[in-house]
Amino acid sequence: GAGVSQSPSNKVTEKGKDVELRCDPISGHTALYWYRQSLGQGLEFLIYFQGNSAPDKSGLPSDRFSAERTGGSVSTLTIQRTQQEDSAVYLCASSLGLHTGELFFGEGSRLTVL
Amino acid sequence: RKEVEQDPGPFNVPEGATVAFNCTYSNSASQSFFWYRQDCRKEPKLLMSVYSSGNEDGRFTAQLNRASQYISLLIRDSKLSDSATYLCVVRGDSGSARQLTFGSGTQLTVLP
Repeated sequence: GAGVSQSPSNKVTEKGKDVELRCDPISGHTALYWYRQSLGQGLEFLIYFQGNSAPDKSGLPSDRFSAERTGGSVSTLTIQRTQQEDSAVYLCASSLGLHTGELFFGEGSRLTVL
Repeated sequence: RKEVEQDPGPFNVPEGATVAFNCTYSNSASQSFFWYRQDCRKEPKLLMSVYSSGNEDGRFTAQLNRASQYISLLIRDSKLSDSATYLCVVRGDSGSARQLTFGSGTQLTVLP
């Protein structure tokens, strides 16, 4: 499709397990962002990529979180040893560059940690 | 103080009403401003950018007040389909590594 694609759309896991969330941005978009949204809350910035580089990782909540982007395209957000407080919708967005305010979001990956 | 603050609402208004939301931001060096719309359990989508001179798109008017560090969104003749959460978004200056900051959103319900 032409939009940002995220998978899985829903993930239920047990506390302590690792999860991987995938984002496939719009072709040609150099900037890619990960946000987290808890129920009824705003968007919490996690990390962004310009190309394959992530200049600012300070938004990641803990060292259990990591993200990578390869080939300037697909990105993976990995959460190790999941905790219940990690339950949220993880939204990926892409944009033509960092200087535009128009982000195109995927439908998100809803993570539930039991 | 949060970087971007919005009244969470909810705002419940009848069809045809005019409703306005405000959003304040803390970084006086912020460069650009946007309103996004998020439908229930959906992803956010850009509604409109906010320009210094103010701008209008159909029933929607956005304004920026740099001196008081707030932006506003006015919706005229509201429709049922306008029911959503409206997110205020601020871009920091060139030194801001976090780029775009989203407010927590203002929930609008337009009633028949």
